Amino acid sequence: SQKIEQNSEALNIQEGKTATLTCNYTNYSPAYLQWYRQDPGRGPVFLLLIRENEKEKRKERLKVTFDTTLKQSLFHITASQPADSATYLCALRGNQFYFGTGTSLTVIP
Amino acid sequence: NAGVTQTPKFQVLKTGQSMTLQCAQDMNHEYMSWYRQDPGMGLRLIHYSVGAGITDQGEVPNGYNVSRSTTEDFPLRLLSAAPSQTSVYFCASRGPGLASSTDTQYFGPGTRLTVL
Repeated sequence: SQKIEQNSEALNIQEGKTATLTCNYTNYSPAYLQWYRQDPGRGPVFLLLIRENEKEKRKERLKVTFDTTLKQSLFHITASQPADSATYLCALRGNQFYFGTGTSLTVIP
Repeated sequence: NAGVTQTPKFQVLKTGQSMTLQCAQDMNHEYMSWYRQDPGMGLRLIHYSVGAGITDQGEVPNGYNVSRSTTEDFPLRLLSAAPSQTSVYFCASRGPGLASSTDTQYFGPGTRLTVL
């Protein structure tokens, strides 16, 4: 099965800075990769999807990159705000969905 | 649209008891799935369904049963609860359906289950 590692269990950054979260995977390259946001006590909420033939995807202050050679995706939040504090999960679509354990982000005012 | 709903929100069981976790979606999605989320383990797929009458096993299916008699509902049954099944359970659905991409998973709010 696919193994997914999300670096940095917890990440603390100052408001206004760019947060960068990492998702590394082993085995085969997925058809696409997704990023989700999860707040305490709630289910994950879909943020962005990037396909294997795409290098970069943007949505407002969010940017995702996908490097199939490195088997890695980077998730960036620019001009971070305290409201961005949450756990961020990456998920791969192979024959089924595989999720990483998540990175907890805290944006300090 | 209510999206994906799950009941109950919290449940405490004794070892050996059985129960059904309910999941419903009103987006006319064909694909539904059940995950469990444990600390340090991430979300793991238990069972999934690609349409009414069709179910299949995910990564961690042992001890769980599912059925899909309608497009809207996908209940998860614990046949004989064990402490190892203490977890948070999430139901998710995916299109095609009403105004949604086939690739986006919509999650319910979760059920927190404790087995004593």
